[in-house]
Amino acid sequence: EVQLVQSGGGLVQPGRSLRLSCGGFGFIFGHYSIHWVRQPPGKGLEWISGVSWNSDTIAYADSVRGRFTISRDNARNSVSLQMSSLRPEDTAIYSCVAASGSGSYYNPLSDNWGQGALVTVSS
Amino acid sequence: DIVLTQSPGTLSLSPGEEATLSCRASQSLSSASLAWYQQKPGQAPRLLFYGVSSRATGIPDRFSGSGSGTDFTMSISGLEPEDFAVYYCLDYGGLIKTFGQGTKVEMK
Repeated sequence: EVQLVQSGGGLVQPGRSLRLSCGGFGFIFGHYSIHWVRQPPGKGLEWISGVSWNSDTIAYADSVRGRFTISRDNARNSVSLQMSSLRPEDTAIYSCVAASGSGSYYNPLSDNWGQGALVTVSS
Repeated sequence: DIVLTQSPGTLSLSPGEEATLSCRASQSLSSASLAWYQQKPGQAPRLLFYGVSSRATGIPDRFSGSGSGTDFTMSISGLEPEDFAVYYCLDYGGLIKTFGQGTKVEMK
């Protein structure tokens, strides 16, 4: 069974940092692009970052560029999102999701999502 | 960056009726890299369509997708109770991926 399992999240003060992790099971993790999508409670989906299977392609949404860093370790079947200089508007449920189909970064997001992690930025 | 605008924001319909959802891009999606997702409360989004009109695995044929360039449409003919949800379009063709803001299909 294909699974993405997340760890991290929680309550953090504005300006501080937090790291989210996403582990892949049941598929050849190193063949797939992985993306992070967030969703503020009661609001819509926002794509925030993605990394290709070999880390050659990495991209960020304008809202997080310069503050968030995505990385992956295929030997450990994991992707991380390091979040710095957090703001109250970063409060959301953060989910990792695999691309549909191996190889290309330019595939749609699949049905394989992590369970989501609530990040609350508040003093 | 491409902006996707979905309309209407909310669609109030009864079971059996047809739903027509619109997704308009701020510039042409020349590679037809448009997908649609369905999200129910407390659940992860589910892929419905990729490449504008290709149904994902297990999606019933009452769902259809169409469009090109900057204007895209997803239709549901004969709404079933399980179809009431929020629907998002996604441009996945660029380095930056972009979701529309969503259309909620609610029961009238």
